[in-house]
Amino acid sequence: AQSVTQPDIHITVSEGASLELRCNYSYGATPYLFWYVQSPGQGLQLLLKYFSGDTLVQGIKGFEAEFKRSQSSFNLRKPSVHWSDAAEYFCAVGARNDMRFGAGTRLTVKP
Amino acid sequence: NAGVTQTPKFQVLKTGQSMTLQCAQDMNHNSMYWYRQDPGMGLRLIYYSASEGTTDKGEVPNGYNVSRLNKREFSLRLESAAPSQTSVYFCASSELGAGAYEQYFGPGTRLTVT
Repeated sequence: AQSVTQPDIHITVSEGASLELRCNYSYGATPYLFWYVQSPGQGLQLLLKYFSGDTLVQGIKGFEAEFKRSQSSFNLRKPSVHWSDAAEYFCAVGARNDMRFGAGTRLTVKP
Repeated sequence: NAGVTQTPKFQVLKTGQSMTLQCAQDMNHNSMYWYRQDPGMGLRLIYYSASEGTTDKGEVPNGYNVSRLNKREFSLRLESAAPSQTSVYFCASSELGAGAYEQYFGPGTRLTVT
């Protein structure tokens, strides 16, 4: 079965600084990859997804992610973080009807 | 368009009590899912319904049952609640299989079992 690892439980960045959240996956074939964001007390919202093609994908709210097959990674990036980006971020890998989520990375944004 | 709705938002149960969590979607999606979210563990799939009339176990199905009542509604039942089932429960739906399609999530139900 597929699995997802998010090595960073909690990250703190200053507002305006760049951000990179790491995600590594394990899956036998080319996976479907997703990043979701969860604000406190809310459900999850899709930021972006990768199915095939261009390995750099753009998402909502200025986020992007790069699929690197050789490293089994799908890291999320943002050039300049805003205070409203403070939330929990989940990487997920999907196949058929099975979706596996990472444990999440909580992002704190310092003023 | 309400998207995915869940009821109730909060619930406290005593050990051994039963309850049903309700979920409905108005996006005409074929597939629906129930997840639980626990600190440090992300979301884990309990059950899913790939299409109306079908249900299948996910990663953590023990202690739960589900019913796909119609295309819109997918309920999760706890027959005899245990403290280990204290969690936040999310319902989700997708056009087709979750592996390839974006899932849309409800706001969650926070369940405490004492």
